[in-house]
Amino acid sequence: AQTVTQSQPEMSVQEAETVTLSCTYDTSESDYYLFWYKQPPSRQMILVIRQEAYKQQNATENRFSVNFQKAAKSFSLKISDSQLGDAAMYFCAYRRESGNTPLVFGKGTRLSVIA
Amino acid sequence: EAEVAQSPRYKITEKSQAVAFWCDPISGHATLYWYRQILGQGPELLVQFQDESVVDDSQLPKDRFSAERLKGVDSTLKIQPAELGDSAMYLCASSPTVGGYGYTFGSGTRLTVV
Repeated sequence: AQTVTQSQPEMSVQEAETVTLSCTYDTSESDYYLFWYKQPPSRQMILVIRQEAYKQQNATENRFSVNFQKAAKSFSLKISDSQLGDAAMYFCAYRRESGNTPLVFGKGTRLSVIA
Repeated sequence: EAEVAQSPRYKITEKSQAVAFWCDPISGHATLYWYRQILGQGPELLVQFQDESVVDDSQLPKDRFSAERLKGVDSTLKIQPAELGDSAMYLCASSPTVGGYGYTFGSGTRLTVV
């Protein structure tokens, strides 16, 4: 079974600084998708960024970028120019490419942004 | 922007009572998921529907939980009887049938069992 591990329960960053959240995963599949989701307090989970495993180029969405290391099964999220609104729980998630399979989530990292 | 609708937003129920949650996915999304998220943890899949059929309910505690999606559109998740350990956020999500897309999540129902 696939597993997703987020080893940082909590992180903090100064406003305008850069922070990196870590994620590792375990799978025997070669084709899959990886995601980072953001969940603000008492609000719904929203997709931040996604990465197709077959793509070597790291995904980027404005201030959010990933470092995808397929061989190491590592998928970290970098947030640049951190803003107060970035404070939230961040979840790393995995999904097999074949079939219509569910997302498997890590336990999350709580990010605090210090003004 | 299309949304996944869930109700109620909050629910407090007494132990041993029955409780039900409702979800209306994005129009055209054939796949619907119910996840349970215990406070401070990541969501865990309870059940997955493809249209009106259950694809995966291996993690659904079937002695007390049931889920249905009769017409392949909206869905209901029921717990009877509720136990203290069922206190959690219940998230509904939907996705297109195929493709490497993430899900669209609803706002969730926060259940407190007292």
